[in-house]
Amino acid sequence: QKEVEQNSGPLSVPEGAIASLNCTYSDRGSQSFFWYRQYSGKSPELIMSIYSNGDKEDGRFTAQLNKASQYVSLLIRDSQPSDSATYLCAVGGTSGTYKYIFGTGTRLKVLA
Amino acid sequence: SQTIHQWPATLVQPVGSPLSLECTVEGTSNPNLYWYRQAAGRGLQLLFYSVGIGQISSEVPQNLSASRPQDRQFILSSKKLLLSDSGFYLCAWSRGIAGGPGEQFFGPGTRLTVL
Repeated sequence: QKEVEQNSGPLSVPEGAIASLNCTYSDRGSQSFFWYRQYSGKSPELIMSIYSNGDKEDGRFTAQLNKASQYVSLLIRDSQPSDSATYLCAVGGTSGTYKYIFGTGTRLKVLA
Repeated sequence: SQTIHQWPATLVQPVGSPLSLECTVEGTSNPNLYWYRQAAGRGLQLLFYSVGIGQISSEVPQNLSASRPQDRQFILSSKKLLLSDSGFYLCAWSRGIAGGPGEQFFGPGTRLTVL
């Protein structure tokens, strides 16, 4: 069973701080990696995608990928109360298919 | 730009009744299409995915079925709903990149309650 693991949280950070979210995956053949934000009662919203080792920055968000360690992370700088949500890690291309495996999500709380 | 539609937004159905949820994508051609279910407080469970018209892969044995009658239309059905079918149903689309799965985008979802 291919898996994607995340700490369920909640992760609480003060407003303006850096939030660090982590994810590990089991399938070494995975090809693509994504972070989604999901507000309560809403559908997931794609915020970052990363396909190769290293860092990728987009505004206040930085995704980091380490394929050797099978580890993906998301950093949120200058966290805002509006960032409070559940963050889902997703891995694509498991078993050489067009499937995606999702973690159960980390709940982030940004305290004003 | 691409848009994905799902309807209805909410649905309350009695046990044993049939189900039909529809999803359509605009602004792209030959997308990969997906149906997920998210139970309350749980992660996303992949139910079905399709890489082309008439091509359906089922991930979980259950009383649900899926069909793709047109390139950008994906339908989730059941002949008889169970209580355990309650949940948040999400349709998604993606396009492959360099032979692998690219970014995946979700529709607004259908919240199904089976009573």
